[in-house]
Amino acid sequence: GAGVSQSPSNKVTEKGKDVELRCDPISGHTALYWYRQRLGQGLEFLIYFQGNSAPDKSGLPSDRFSAERTGESVSTLTIQRTQQEDSAVYLCASSLVGGNTIYFGEGSWLTVV
Amino acid sequence: SQELEQSPQSLIVQEGKNLTINCTSSKTLYGLYWYKQKYGEGLIFLMMLQKGGEEKSHEKITAKLDEKKQQSSLHITASQPSHAGIYLCGAVGVGGAQKLVFGQGTRLTINP
Repeated sequence: GAGVSQSPSNKVTEKGKDVELRCDPISGHTALYWYRQRLGQGLEFLIYFQGNSAPDKSGLPSDRFSAERTGESVSTLTIQRTQQEDSAVYLCASSLVGGNTIYFGEGSWLTVV
Repeated sequence: SQELEQSPQSLIVQEGKNLTINCTSSKTLYGLYWYKQKYGEGLIFLMMLQKGGEEKSHEKITAKLDEKKQQSSLHITASQPSHAGIYLCGAVGVGGAQKLVFGQGTRLTINP
């Protein structure tokens, strides 16, 4: 596609439920990033993919968070047993490896009630 | 770990005025990104600076990188309502762009 596409754009879920957030990067971009942004706060790095591998998972806040990528394309961020503090916008970005421009999607707004 | 501090945290200016936003890093900068964020629009890439002394412009927005000061500044000339939003700087550390660290953002409001 023309840009980074994320779905769903908005998700309201009950505490304790699992959620999956999807990211479709720009075609041909082998680098993919997930960030989290809580209301009124800056961006927190979660995980980075190079191809289908995740050399850096250091930002995942707990073992309830996991991410995978297949076909060097779509990535899914899964949050298990959601908590209210997981409420945030989850941003995905992609770039060419070694490229200078990192493009962000519009984010998935997650609200845990 | 690398930290970025943006100043000011918020800024209100009258339409037509010039303004500057600063981004200071706690560690050496290997590259610096500027993004603009509006509600529902994600982050919009503005420009990326890599070399000390580098200056880039996009329409009425100019950014500079001062490696010695570990700082970048974003300057908007003759501000317009369309410039309103949150401006974020992101730093490339020694680990590369794989792990951009972002500042807290500067909220810019333009009054007509």
